[in-house]
Amino acid sequence: SQTIHQWPATLVQPVGSPLSLECTVEGTSNPNLYWYRQAAGRGLQLLFYSVGIGQISSEVPQNLSASRPQDRQFILSSKKLLLSDSGFYLCAWDPDSSADTQYFGPGTRLTVL
Amino acid sequence: KQEVTQIPAALSVPEGENLVLNCSFTDSAIYNLQWFRQDPGKGLTSLLLIQSSQREQTSGRLNASLDKSSGRSTLYIAASQPGDSATYLCAAPPKAAGNKLTFGGGTRVLVKP
Repeated sequence: SQTIHQWPATLVQPVGSPLSLECTVEGTSNPNLYWYRQAAGRGLQLLFYSVGIGQISSEVPQNLSASRPQDRQFILSSKKLLLSDSGFYLCAWDPDSSADTQYFGPGTRLTVL
Repeated sequence: KQEVTQIPAALSVPEGENLVLNCSFTDSAIYNLQWFRQDPGKGLTSLLLIQSSQREQTSGRLNASLDKSSGRSTLYIAASQPGDSATYLCAAPPKAAGNKLTFGGGTRVLVKP
């Protein structure tokens, strides 16, 4: 069976510090991968998606970047965090673009102080 | 650009009462309509998916309807239980977006024993 992992589960970082959040998927090959952010009082917003290694599409301009160094690994990064980067970050995957639904990870709670 | 709205934002009902959650979307050319459940501080769990050619989908006490012409979906939860307390999110990806989900803001449900 497939599983998706995210770490860390929680993170408190000062403004201006770097960020690296990791997501890995097990039990499948060549998944589509997604990063979403859920800010306080707001809905889920798609940040990045990837259909393969090194293929990243950004959905909204922001202070963040994403990379996919391996088939089942998706990393969300920032060089300098802003207060507005605080939120709940969710990684998700699906087998292909015609998949019925996405499968979400447990999330990372990021607080920028 | 697809916009998804969920009303009400929060709902509190006594145990045993039926729940009715509403979701509306602006672009009726959707890929499908999905309902998710999110427990506090957790990831999303898929509840129901209605293909664009379908009118409804049922799973146990849950029933979801879809009316593309009016841009609406309704999630019914029969005989609510305290364990149904959670935030319910709908997603209505446009066909052109494939499986890149556009979420509503969610409805936070509290079922009182």
